[in-house]
Order: sequence, then structure tokens, then C-alpha cells
Amino acid sequence: QKEVEQNSGPLSVPEGAIASLNCTYSDRGSQSFFWYRQYSGKSPELIMFIYSNGDKEDGRFTAQLNKASQYVSLLIRDSQPSDSATYLCAVNPGNQFYFGTGTSLTVIP
Amino acid sequence: DTAVSQTPKYLVTQMGNDKSIKCEQNLGHDTMYWYKQDSKKFLKIMFSYNNKELIINETVPNRFSPKSPDKAHLNLHINSLELGDSAVYFCASSQVGGRSYEKLFFGSGTQLSVL
Repeated sequence: QKEVEQNSGPLSVPEGAIASLNCTYSDRGSQSFFWYRQYSGKSPELIMFIYSNGDKEDGRFTAQLNKASQYVSLLIRDSQPSDSATYLCAVNPGNQFYFGTGTSLTVIP
Repeated sequence: DTAVSQTPKYLVTQMGNDKSIKCEQNLGHDTMYWYKQDSKKFLKIMFSYNNKELIINETVPNRFSPKSPDKAHLNLHINSLELGDSAVYFCASSQVGGRSYEKLFFGSGTQLSVL
């Protein structure tokens, strides 16, 4: 299994703050990167994907990719209690999807 | 209308039993997967099928046998269940396995409890 590492947390932020989630990966051949959100008892749901170095914004979410550093992050602006979930980083080196262990995020009202 | 559906949602059984989980996708995808998620939320790939053919088998005990009758279905049969098999099993699908720009879509999961 290819290595994808995340800080398991838990990460707690106050409502309205920016939550920053980080992920590193070991396979330099990885080409696409994904962030999934998983609520307790539910299946993972795709919220962001990024293929090129730099930032990609979608609403309150920004994904950042640095292939040289083998690093991908997710920023959640104006965090809401409904953002409380586990966030899974996934990496596809070309033939498979490998997941990190997830970061548990709690947004405190 | 569910894109990736799997049944049953819950499965409680005794050690040593044999059980099956079924999965179907209506997204027209070519590739289907089985993932196992442990209590620490780690999602580990078990199998990957592309157009009914096995392409990935990640060191899974041979008590686990996937079967794909067509590209829209991927079932998982487990023989001689063990306590350590207790986990949530997710079926997933993506379009054209082998390309890096495709997204993965999950079923709702099957919570397997082995007593």
C-alpha cells in the first residue's frame, strides 16, 4: 500500500475560523489528489480534487498541491459546525486510489 | 437513483460462517473496488476489477473472494469469518481504471460484525 500520511487529530477550530488539513504522500509518480469528507456512520464523499501544482478553490474549500514537496492540503474557510467530520486524503499514482488515515475535525459553535 | 449501492447495510454473524456482500453501480463505470475500513478509519484497498477482470489484489486472505458477473456488479464472498474481519466494507467505482484523472465514488458501506 502506497503511503499517504495525515495528522489524525483531532483538530478543533471555532466556528468561523479557517481549518487547515495536511497530507503527505510517498509516491512521486502520483498524479491526482482528492479530499473526501466522511461523517460518522456514512460513506466518504468527494469534496475536492486537484491535479496541478498550486491552489484550487471551490466555495469555502481550497486545495493546495506542491508536488515537489509531496504535499497536499485542504483549507476550509468560515468553518461551520456542519464541517465536523473526518477528512480523508487520497492519492492516485495512476492505477489505484490510496487513502490516508484521515483527520478528525470538530468545529465548535 | 443511488449511484453505487451495496447490500446489506449491516451484517452480524458468528465466527466460521460464510457471508456475501453485493454491490451494483449505475454510473456506467468500468472499474469497481472493495475497500475495508477499520475502527481507526483507515481505508485499505482489497480488490479492484476493471471490466470484470481482477486487476488489484492487495494481500487479502484467500477467504475473501470477489466475483464480478458484469462490469456493473462486484460481489464479495467471505468464507470462515474471523473476529478480525469485523469492519466496514465499502464498494466503490470509477471510470476507466488506470487513468489518474478519474474520481472514486463510494457505496453506503456494510458494517460487518463477527461475534
